[in-house]
Amino acid sequence: GAVVSQHPSWVICKSGTSVKIECRSLDFQATTMFWYRQFPKQSLMLMATSNEGSKATYEQGVEKDKFLINHASLTLSTLTVTSAHPEDSSFYICSAPTLSGRGNIQYFGAGTRLSVL
Amino acid sequence: AQTVTQSQPEMSVQEAETVTLSCTYDTSESDYYLFWYKQPPSRQMILVIRQEAYKQQNATENRFSVNFQKAAKSFSLKISDSQLGDAAMYFCAYISGSARQLTFGSGTQLTVLP
Repeated sequence: GAVVSQHPSWVICKSGTSVKIECRSLDFQATTMFWYRQFPKQSLMLMATSNEGSKATYEQGVEKDKFLINHASLTLSTLTVTSAHPEDSSFYICSAPTLSGRGNIQYFGAGTRLSVL
Repeated sequence: AQTVTQSQPEMSVQEAETVTLSCTYDTSESDYYLFWYKQPPSRQMILVIRQEAYKQQNATENRFSVNFQKAAKSFSLKISDSQLGDAAMYFCAYISGSARQLTFGSGTQLTVLP
């Protein structure tokens, strides 16, 4: 299957600092990528849709100034958590859809565990 | 709006036995896809199986098979000959043919007992 790479896998930061998470599609182009947040033992919650060459679309209740998304190329989307606080600690996952003849399959990055001290 | 419901928060199965995970969905679309994703302790989401709504035949992938009942809007996953490595959170997911984003169920935590 297609590969989506996500880095870093784990980051610890001090409160008030910003953290950038990268999501790359390694063997296919992705004009769209998705960013999710997941709390322990819960489902994935869609935060935003990243669109190459245009602004991201945020889900209701997600602060766009807190979670900055940049889709700089057809293979890279970044999520920056600005002025992170302990309540931002969570597991963040990206995904990218590929049609590739298999109809709307989404491939996921391995996720990033963010711990804000 | 589409919804996906997994009514079993937790399930357990004895190694080598068979277990079925339930999933129902609600949609007014006729063109859509259904998926089962597995999330092991590593938390990497792994595609287990995919079903196109227009196909009557149930999808199978080795020990994994689905029972797709379109009229009942039901999409259950059967795991045969369960292995310890099958222990994970399993998510049922839906996407319409025209949409780009998945709708996930709440997940079922599967424990495999040795």
